[in-house]
Amino acid sequence: QKEVEQNSGPLSVPEGAIASLNCTYSDRGSQSFFWYRQYSGKSPELIMFIYSNGDKEDGRFTAQLNKASQYVSLLIRDSQPSDSATYLCASLDTGRRALTFGSGTRLQVQP
Amino acid sequence: DGGITQSPKYLFRKEGQNVTLSCEQNLNHDAMYWYRQDPGQGLRLIYYSQIVNDFQKGDIAEGYSVSREKKESFPLTVTSAQKNPTAFYLCASSISTGTGKNTEAFFGQGTRLTVV
Repeated sequence: QKEVEQNSGPLSVPEGAIASLNCTYSDRGSQSFFWYRQYSGKSPELIMFIYSNGDKEDGRFTAQLNKASQYVSLLIRDSQPSDSATYLCASLDTGRRALTFGSGTRLQVQP
Repeated sequence: DGGITQSPKYLFRKEGQNVTLSCEQNLNHDAMYWYRQDPGQGLRLIYYSQIVNDFQKGDIAEGYSVSREKKESFPLTVTSAQKNPTAFYLCASSISTGTGKNTEAFFGQGTRLTVV
């Protein structure tokens, strides 16, 4: 079974610091990767998408993809208490055309 | 406004009952999905459908059934065969074609099912 692995955390960082979240995936055929943010009791919302090797920046968020190492990461700069949530990494299963999710990393930003 | 509507938000089921969770989208998306989320866990795929009148089992389909008679609708029935149905159920949709950002899944607000 194709898998996406994440450290469950919690990852605790002080306000204003950089939070680094990591994800590995088993399917070498995967080409599209997503980071979703999920607040407690709510549904996931997309914050970043990455398709090509390298970095992709959007505001305070940077996604990094290394296909050779099958590794995806998300950096959150100038972390805010409102960033406290669970971050889900997902890869597109090209066979089923459905997203496979990791178990999520809980991020706590301390004021 | 375009989006995905799930109902009800909360649902209570007695032992041995079948219950149906509703999912409707007006995004004109071809693909629809049902995921289950247990506390502290990620999302696990129950069923998915890439086109009307066709659907496929996901990783945890046992005890569940779906239908896709209309493009906009993808209801999920939790049958009495599902031994541990208490969970947060999420419906999603996507455009389905290609490999780029248009494969993003948009989620409904979820249904929290509890067995009483």
